[in-house]
Amino acid sequence: EAGVAQSPRYKIIEKRQSVAFWCNPISGHATLYWYQQILGQGPKLLIQFQNNGVVDDSQLPKDRFSAERLKGVDSTLKIQPAKLEDSAVYLCASSLAGLSDTQYFGPGTRLTVL
Amino acid sequence: AQSVTQLGSHVSVSEGALVLLRCNYSSSVPPYLFWYVQYPNQGLQLLLKYTSAATLVKGINGFEAEFKKSETSFHLTKPSAHMSDAAEYFCAVSRGTGGFKTIFGAGTRLFVKA
Repeated sequence: EAGVAQSPRYKIIEKRQSVAFWCNPISGHATLYWYQQILGQGPKLLIQFQNNGVVDDSQLPKDRFSAERLKGVDSTLKIQPAKLEDSAVYLCASSLAGLSDTQYFGPGTRLTVL
Repeated sequence: AQSVTQLGSHVSVSEGALVLLRCNYSSSVPPYLFWYVQYPNQGLQLLLKYTSAATLVKGINGFEAEFKKSETSFHLTKPSAHMSDAAEYFCAVSRGTGGFKTIFGAGTRLFVKA
């Protein structure tokens, strides 16, 4: 079974530039999560999708971050414009459906903002 | 709303010694609790989870955790540490009032000495 795929693995940009991350979840998984993991901290949930719909985006900085999940499968997370404090690893995870289900994580995208 | 506290950002044990990683949670409803492990240069993977069945949960690689409602704890243990257990461990809670959101602790890095 293929795992959660993410790309790119690494990205270096300058502040005020834009960047986009892509995630392909495990086939059949209805729920998709985007997390931000700053060095030395635990993952922080940015947004959670259930199929096409947003379940929670309360911690997403909506003035600069946006995310979409087209057709309930792939998802894209965008930052525009980036700030220095956005430097982090962005993790995508997927699960079958509910909150008791195991989340399967991708390898993450390490973003450095200079 | 729920929250998670992991006591000790770093824990060091000798090979063969008991591993104890502490996690305390707060939730106004019965929680779902998870332990995830992150090996160097790898994504997060599930060690074990509690979803309101047996309070003593066994996971992979000889780890187990006990849900103690009275102490609001979900500590992770392993009787005998192995060098390969060196990694970062994250406790997480989901299902709580204020939203369906997974909250991760800050993580505990486990060092195993030969």
